[in-house]
Amino acid sequence: GENVEQHPSTLSVQEGDSAVIKCTYSDSASNYFPWYKQELGKRPQLIIDIRSNVGEKKDQRIAVTLNKTAKHFSLHITETQPEDSAVYFCAAFGGGSNYKLTFGKGTLLTVNP
Amino acid sequence: DTAVSQTPKYLVTQMGNDKSIKCEQNLGHDTMYWYKQDSKKFLKIMFSYNNKELIINETVPNRFSPKSPDKAHLNLHINSLELGDSAVYFCASSQVIDGNTIYFGEGSWLTVV
Repeated sequence: GENVEQHPSTLSVQEGDSAVIKCTYSDSASNYFPWYKQELGKRPQLIIDIRSNVGEKKDQRIAVTLNKTAKHFSLHITETQPEDSAVYFCAAFGGGSNYKLTFGKGTLLTVNP
Repeated sequence: DTAVSQTPKYLVTQMGNDKSIKCEQNLGHDTMYWYKQDSKKFLKIMFSYNNKELIINETVPNRFSPKSPDKAHLNLHINSLELGDSAVYFCASSQVIDGNTIYFGEGSWLTVV
């Protein structure tokens, strides 16, 4: 089955700096890669996603890049703010008949004021 | 006007008891899921249903039994609760089964004592 590795597990940055979280996946048939943000005690919420036919997608301060050949994708947050502090999860959706979204283990991002 | 709602939000129960968590979505989605998030924040799929049909059944003990009376509802019944069942259980839904945004409910915090 699909295996998603996520790094780093914790990340601490100063407000205004950029943050990068990286993920790799194992199943080359995977075709959909969402990123979720989970604040303490809350539900995971989608912040951005990318499909396998696209290499990069941007939404204001958030961008995601996908390298299908290397099977890795990354989340970039620029001009970080304290409210960006949360756990971020990458995920990969299996292609073919593997109808399963597999999550990475999460990155705890702390943005220090 | 919650899109995916689950009850109860908090549940404290003794080992050996049987309990149920109910989930409803009003998004008109075809696919519903149960995810388990353990103390290390790892999100792992347990079950998924598409139009009331079981699609994914991960290696979950038989004590866990999902039931989908219609495509807007997916309940989770747990028999003979064990200490290791303590976790947050998230219900979720997506429009279709194939690579769409998954929307999570607020979670049900289960503590087994």
